Amino acid sequence: SQTIHQWPATLVQPVGSPLSLECTVEGTSNPNLYWYRQAAGRGLQLLFYSVGIGQISSEVPQNLSASRPQDRQFILSSKKLLLSDSGFYLCAWMWGENTEAFFGQGTRLTVV
Amino acid sequence: GDSVTQMEGPVTLSEEAFLTINCTYTATGYPSLFWYVQYPGEGLQLLLKATKADDKGSNKGFEATYRKETTSFHLEKGSVQVSDSAVYFCALFPGGYNKLIFGAGTRLAVHP
Repeated sequence: SQTIHQWPATLVQPVGSPLSLECTVEGTSNPNLYWYRQAAGRGLQLLFYSVGIGQISSEVPQNLSASRPQDRQFILSSKKLLLSDSGFYLCAWMWGENTEAFFGQGTRLTVV
Repeated sequence: GDSVTQMEGPVTLSEEAFLTINCTYTATGYPSLFWYVQYPGEGLQLLLKATKADDKGSNKGFEATYRKETTSFHLEKGSVQVSDSAVYFCALFPGGYNKLIFGAGTRLAVHP
């Protein structure tokens, strides 16, 4: 069966520090992978999506970046965090058409 | 571009009341439509889906019908429970190598 792992669950980081959030998927090949952010009291904002290794599409220009070094690994990074980067980050995957998206449990990031 | 519009929340109801959460979409082609639910502190879970016009998705007493003529996918439940309190997201997937697009989410609070 397919599973998705996202870590860490909670993170508190000072302003200006780097960030690395990791997401891995098991049990499927060549999934579409997504990073979303949910700011407090707001909806889901698509940050990045990837349809294959090394292929990253950015939806919102900001100080975050994403990478997909392996087929089932998706990493969200920042060189210097801002206060506005605080939020709930969700990784998701889909495969094929007309199928559901599977979400990780999310990472709550607080930048202080 | 493709988009999803949901009614703003929060929606506050008494237990056993009838629920409607409106969702309309803009898309080229024939997208799949979804409702996701997010319980407090958790990631998103698929609630129901519909893949073509006039399809009705249903799960846990919730229903939504894919209406191409009105580009809508409204979520309904005849009798809500306190345990239904959550944030509900309408979403569309255009298919292929494409992004999953979410509405802003509607928070539902059900009181005993």
